Amino acid sequence: GQNIDQPTEMTATEGAIVQINCTYQTSGFNGLFWYQQHAGEAPTFLSYNVLDGLEEKGRFSSFLSRSKGYSYLLLKELQMKDSASYLCAVTDSNYQLIWGAGTKLIIKP
Amino acid sequence: IAGITQAPTSQILAAGRRMTLRCTQDMRHNAMYWYRQDLGLGLRLIHYSNTAGTTGKGEVPDGYSVSRANTDDFPLTLASAVPSQTSVYFCASSADSGGPTDTQYFGPGTRLTVL
Repeated sequence: GQNIDQPTEMTATEGAIVQINCTYQTSGFNGLFWYQQHAGEAPTFLSYNVLDGLEEKGRFSSFLSRSKGYSYLLLKELQMKDSASYLCAVTDSNYQLIWGAGTKLIIKP
Repeated sequence: IAGITQAPTSQILAAGRRMTLRCTQDMRHNAMYWYRQDLGLGLRLIHYSNTAGTTGKGEVPDGYSVSRANTDDFPLTLASAVPSQTSVYFCASSADSGGPTDTQYFGPGTRLTVL
């Protein structure tokens, strides 16, 4: 079966750095997405990785290791507005998106 | 309109009733999707459409139907609602049908409660 694992919830302090991990087991791999979803709102696109390595975009970075079936989202200089759920999703061999359940990130002052 | 709109925003429905959730996009995207999101579970694909005139079944299609008469609209119909269909429903679209870099853009969602 296809499976994507993320921690259910994480807590971090404003101004700090947090790393949200995602491991996946899918039938094929055609890319990995990270989305942000604030409570009561729609998911919004954050990043896309298809090759191994780190993609940096401002305060957010995303890393991929295809051989390990592993990705992480790194958030720096945390702000209160970063409190949200972060969804990991993988495009499988049929180009269908398989979604993780999401990680709820709580930022404390 | 800019992006994707969904209607209604929320709805309380008696079991056994028929309900259509509406979704419209103005980005001229080829592909559209319907997901449901339940607490503790990831987004689950109900139905999708790679282009106008075609539809396909996702992971949880039972009890739902869709149509894609034109590029912009992708309504989701519950023929006879049951309490297990209580969920938040998101419509999404992407420029191409399933390309590897195909970012999906989401509507604001419809919160449906079936009693």
